[in-house]
Amino acid sequence: NAGVMQNPRHLVRRRGQEARLRCSPVKGHSHVYWYRQLPEEGLKFMVYLQKENIIDESGMPKERFSAEFPKEGPSILRIQQVVRGDSAAYFCASSPQQGANTEAFFGQGTRLTVV
Amino acid sequence: LAKTTQPISMDSYEGQEVNITCSHNNIATNDYITWYQQFPSQGPRFIIQGYKTKVTNEVASLFIPADRKSSTLSLPRVSLSDTAVYYCLVGPEGGGNKLTFGTGTQLKVEL
Repeated sequence: NAGVMQNPRHLVRRRGQEARLRCSPVKGHSHVYWYRQLPEEGLKFMVYLQKENIIDESGMPKERFSAEFPKEGPSILRIQQVVRGDSAAYFCASSPQQGANTEAFFGQGTRLTVV
Repeated sequence: LAKTTQPISMDSYEGQEVNITCSHNNIATNDYITWYQQFPSQGPRFIIQGYKTKVTNEVASLFIPADRKSSTLSLPRVSLSDTAVYYCLVGPEGGGNKLTFGTGTQLKVEL
């Protein structure tokens, strides 16, 4: 039973390019969350999605960032026109149901470096 | 979501018991307390969750006093591989989709 799979593990982009981060949740999980972690900091919530729906995007920057979780296929976090400040580790988590009393399973993250 | 406060770092030696305390003075009636562990270059991993009194699993124990304003994660007989960051989170049932991570406690275990 595979856990949360994220790819790529490492991504290097030049300023102004687009970054696409993929997340395949645990099989059977319909709730996906994206978090960003800057060096020496804790994880910061970005967005919560259920299949085909964005439930909570209060942690997403208002520009350049978008997320989707289509009916088929992985969840995608898309960052357009990347800047150096976007360099961070991006983690995806999934759960079978909502609620903080539900264990969330995290992937190993995608480390984005903007040069 | 209730804010949590925990020590920035702790040091221990192999074989010792480690107790990490988390303060959450503003915890709400329906909040649960959850602890996650994170190794370098990896995503957080669920350790344990509780609501009150004591919870124990194969990895750790969680002690929660009656007023629930704090909780203590207890790791028995730590080893070098327990070196990691430990996060204490509190959140409401059914509405806590946003896991709020603080800076956590960096536990360093030495020989």
